[in-house]
Amino acid sequence: AQSVTQLGSHVSVSEGALVLLRCNYSSSVPPYLFWYVQYPNQGLQLLLKYTSAATLVKGINGFEAEFKKSETSFHLTKPSAHMSDAAEYFCAVSNQGYSSASKIIFGSGTRLSIRP
Amino acid sequence: GAVVSQHPSWVICKSGTSVKIECRSLDFQATTMFWYRQFPKQSLMLMATSNEGSKATYEQGVEKDKFLINHASLTLSTLTVTSAHPEDSSFYICSARAEGIYGYTFGSGTRLTVV
Repeated sequence: AQSVTQLGSHVSVSEGALVLLRCNYSSSVPPYLFWYVQYPNQGLQLLLKYTSAATLVKGINGFEAEFKKSETSFHLTKPSAHMSDAAEYFCAVSNQGYSSASKIIFGSGTRLSIRP
Repeated sequence: GAVVSQHPSWVICKSGTSVKIECRSLDFQATTMFWYRQFPKQSLMLMATSNEGSKATYEQGVEKDKFLINHASLTLSTLTVTSAHPEDSSFYICSARAEGIYGYTFGSGTRLTVV
């Protein structure tokens, strides 16, 4: 079975500071991993995804994540936080990529707050 | 890019009535769609997987007679909450999967309030 664990339900950083949101995964097969962002009362927007190609994945809005198999981690980072980054972030794993049997399992989410 | 339209964005209904939520893939064919439920300040809980032309697969604990899912075409899946009660009030989000680079695309969600 697949699962993801997001460490820290709430992270607060100052504007301009480094953003680090942690995600560890568990998977019995090579995983596909995703980071999504959700603004209040909205759906989810894909930030980036890992699909077994390059281990360092660059996404939208300056975010990136590195797949580390040895640590079973897929942490999300951004060098300099912006006020508009305040939102809920979800790490997710897909059990079989894009096959007909695959589905996405979400972590519990991390709320990112940005201090002026 | 792939766009999923979900309608309505919010709905208020009386207890005991039924509500239908639509999820459409606008520029791609989605053989599989997913329905999620999200409680305030919580993560998304997968309710069911909907495959075009076949019965939906429900996750454990989800009442299939209460949450009716229909996926009659490659671009439309519907979720009907039957005999809604206040405890069904939640944020419902659909997702569609396309082959290739698009991956999983999410709708904007529907806020259901049952009074």
